[in-house]
Order: sequence, then C-alpha cells, then structure tokens
Amino acid sequence: DQQVKQNSPSLSVQEGRISILNCDYTNSMFDYFLWYKKYPAEGPTFLISISSIKDKNEDGRFTVFLNKSAKHLSLHIVPSQPGDSAVYFCAAYQGGSEKLVFGKGMKLTVNP
Amino acid sequence: DTAVSQTPKYLVTQMGNDKSIKCEQNLGHDTMYWYKQDSKKFLKIMFSYNNKELIINETVPNRFSPKSPDKAHLNLHINSLELGDSAVYFCASSQDLWENIEETQYFGPGTRLLVL
Repeated sequence: DQQVKQNSPSLSVQEGRISILNCDYTNSMFDYFLWYKKYPAEGPTFLISISSIKDKNEDGRFTVFLNKSAKHLSLHIVPSQPGDSAVYFCAAYQGGSEKLVFGKGMKLTVNP
Repeated sequence: DTAVSQTPKYLVTQMGNDKSIKCEQNLGHDTMYWYKQDSKKFLKIMFSYNNKELIINETVPNRFSPKSPDKAHLNLHINSLELGDSAVYFCASSQDLWENIEETQYFGPGTRLLVL
C-alpha cells in the first residue's frame, strides 16, 4: 500500500532547462511534505518542504508546488545544473502520528 | 570531519546470525535515527532516540533493537537475521525531533547489509 508515489523512476534533462519531479499521495491526513536529495554512497539530505496550508514554497532554484485536491506535489528546479544529478525522494508527514512516509525516489540526470 | 559516520559500510552475513551496525555523530545533536531503504527503494524510519529515550518505533520487528550508550551514538543490533533484512540502513541525526518538522537531518553514508 504505497501512500507516497513517485511513478517515474528517472528523468533526464539538459543543463539550464527546467526539471519537474512529481509525487502523488493517497493519505489526506498528511499535512507536511518534504523533498530529499541523495547522491550515490551518501545519505539523503533535506532539500525543501511545504506545509499543507500553502500551495507553493520557493528556495533559490527550487520550488515545490502542492495541489491538495489532486493530492499531488511537484518539485521544480530552474535552471537545472549537472550537480543536481541525484536521486530525489518525496516524503509526507502526518502530524500527531509521528509518521513519515517516503516515496521510492526518482533519479534525475542533468546533462551538460 | 564526517558529521555522521556508520560502520561497517558493507556487511555480508548468513541467515540466523546476529549483527550490529554502529553510528556516531559529532554534531552535538540530541536526536538520532535509523532508516531502512529496502530493495524497492523505499526509505522508512525505524527508530529515533532523543536524550536516550525511544521516541518513534515504526512497525519494526523486535529482532531489531537500537542501543544508545551516549548521545553521540546510536547502534543498531539485529538478531536472527533474515533474508528480508537485506537493505541499506541509514543513520541520521538532528538537533530536535520531528516536532520541528523543518529540522535538518544529517545522514550517514549508509550500511549495505546482505543476508545470504
């Protein structure tokens, strides 16, 4: 029972273009969402998050959009850089239950 | 100068054995965590320790037991290893617990466990 889904396993984009990573969730009780970035042989690092009371959060080149009615969020990276090449995990948090659920991850490759 | 370190990096062992994975953080953080990334690439939180108190225990078999000798260490002991335990295990630390959800977590490099 996947509560957090990242349906595309990989994405390849050209340097300078926009990268859009998608994430869907099924549990309407999730009230906070996070994106993590993971390089090979390293642990995941926190990237950006969004509360369910917002529909957009921006931090530099990274923007996360949340569509609660569709239970969908996306991470936009503009402009994409080769150093952004990594696996990106979407995660959802349910306050009160201390539950944090991760998606399977999506591999982003940014070509020079 | 590694912030969160884990040993060993790789662990290959037979079913039924008991093994431990060590984790140390030198950040002075109060909370440490163990995550499991399974073959399907899902990352699941297993345990967290805050001031030597177990805070979160997701539905993890009791063959897994975290041991925290002090604030800087959270070791993972696994008894009677099973094939399904094969995964990458990540240790992490943060200053506070998830109550402050934006709290940055620092992750170790992971330990790849293979049970034969």
